[in-house]
Amino acid sequence: AQTVTQSQPEMSVQEAETVTLSCTYDTSESDYYLFWYKQPPSRQMILVIRQEAYKQQNATENRFSVNFQKAAKSFSLKISDSQLGDAAMYFCAYRGSNYQLIWGAGTKLIIKP
Amino acid sequence: EADIYQTPRYLVIGTGKKITLECSQTMGHDKMYWYQQDPGMELHLIHYSYGVNSTEKGDLSSESTVSRIRTEHFPLTLESARPSHTSQYLCASSPVEGRERTGELFFGEGSRLTVL
Repeated sequence: AQTVTQSQPEMSVQEAETVTLSCTYDTSESDYYLFWYKQPPSRQMILVIRQEAYKQQNATENRFSVNFQKAAKSFSLKISDSQLGDAAMYFCAYRGSNYQLIWGAGTKLIIKP
Repeated sequence: EADIYQTPRYLVIGTGKKITLECSQTMGHDKMYWYQQDPGMELHLIHYSYGVNSTEKGDLSSESTVSRIRTEHFPLTLESARPSHTSQYLCASSPVEGRERTGELFFGEGSRLTVL
């Protein structure tokens, strides 16, 4: 069975600095998708970025980028120029052939002004 | 902001009461989901639906039930609430899949249930 592990329950970063959130996963499949979702306090969870496993190029969305290491089964999220609005829970998720998302336990990101 | 709404946002009730958590979306999505979320834990899928009159149980066993009579509406019901049901419940929907939208879920703000 697939698993997703986020080893950092909490991270903090100074405003305007760069932070990297870690995610590892376990699967025997070769074709799958990986995601980072953001859940701000008392607000809706939203998709931040998506990576398709067959694409070698790392996905980027403005200040958000990923480091996808397929062989190592690692999928980290880098947030550049951190802003106060980036404070949230960040969840890593995996989707394989059964079309259901497998979620990590989340990382709470604190932005220090 | 996604057009998916959950009510109530917060609910405190006594043991044995029947409760229904409402979820509605105005995006015309066929797929809808209910997740249970506890602090410091991953989200667990408890129910999902791929369209009207379609409901399935997720990977987390739950005493709740769901119905899908209309595309836009996916309520979750607990016939007799217990303290073990205390949790946050997230409703989500997703559009028809294409390469660009694969895996994108749109979430409601959640319903936080406390059973005394």
